[in-house]
Amino acid sequence: ETGVTQSPTHLIKTRGQQVTLRCSSQSGHNTVSWYQQALGQGPQFIFQYYREEENGRGNFPPRFSGLQFPNYSSELNVNALELDDSALYLCASSLYGTGREKLFFGSGTQLSVL
Amino acid sequence: LAKTTQPISMDSYEGQEVNITCSHNNIATNDYITWYQQFPSQGPRFIIQGYKTKVTNEVASLFIPADRKSSTLSLPRVSLSDTAVYYCLVGGYNQGGKLIFGQGTELSVKP
Repeated sequence: ETGVTQSPTHLIKTRGQQVTLRCSSQSGHNTVSWYQQALGQGPQFIFQYYREEENGRGNFPPRFSGLQFPNYSSELNVNALELDDSALYLCASSLYGTGREKLFFGSGTQLSVL
Repeated sequence: LAKTTQPISMDSYEGQEVNITCSHNNIATNDYITWYQQFPSQGPRFIIQGYKTKVTNEVASLFIPADRKSSTLSLPRVSLSDTAVYYCLVGGYNQGGKLIFGQGTELSVKP
C-alpha cells in the first residue's frame, strides 16, 4: 500500500464528454504528478503540481488540465474526450518532486472512451 | 532527459537469478538511476535507486559501472510473483516528477 488513492477506479465516457479524476496523495507529500498509460506502453508524464502550482508539463494538449488543493490532493480534468484518451491514468506523489525521489503511485483510474 | 533502452521481454524460471540491463548513454552528471516494477492494472512500484557502483536492498541489487552508461537490475531467486514489467528511469534534482518511462521489460517467470 502506497497511501495514494485514486477515484474512481473505472470510468466509461463517450467522445466529447468531460471527465474529472481525483487523487489523494500520501500523507506529508506536497507534490503530485499525473501519468497516462496506454495499453502495452509505459506511463507518459502529463504534468506535476507542487504546492498548488503546476511546475512541469509533458506533451499533452491544453484540454488536459489539473488542480492541486491546499491539502495537496489533486484533480485531473480532461475536456472534449477523444477515443485515444482511453488509458490508465496514474497519480504519483512525492515530497519535493525531484527526479531523485521515490514516487508513490496509486492504482490508477481506467478510463474508457466510447 | 536521458533516454533508456531495455529488452522488451525476458523469460526465466522460478529460483533463477534474473539480470535486466538498461542502457542510458546520455545520462547527466546529476542523474540517478531508478527501477520500478509494475503489475497489471496497478501503478508502478519503486524497487531500487542508485548513482554509481552497487546498491542492494531486500528485494534487488543494482549494478552501475564507472561510466554510468548502463545499469543492471539483479533479482535473486525469482518466483512466479515477480512476473511483471520492469522500468528503468534516469532523473536528477531539477527534473521533478517528470520521469520518462520507456516500454519497460516484461519479465515472465515460469514454474
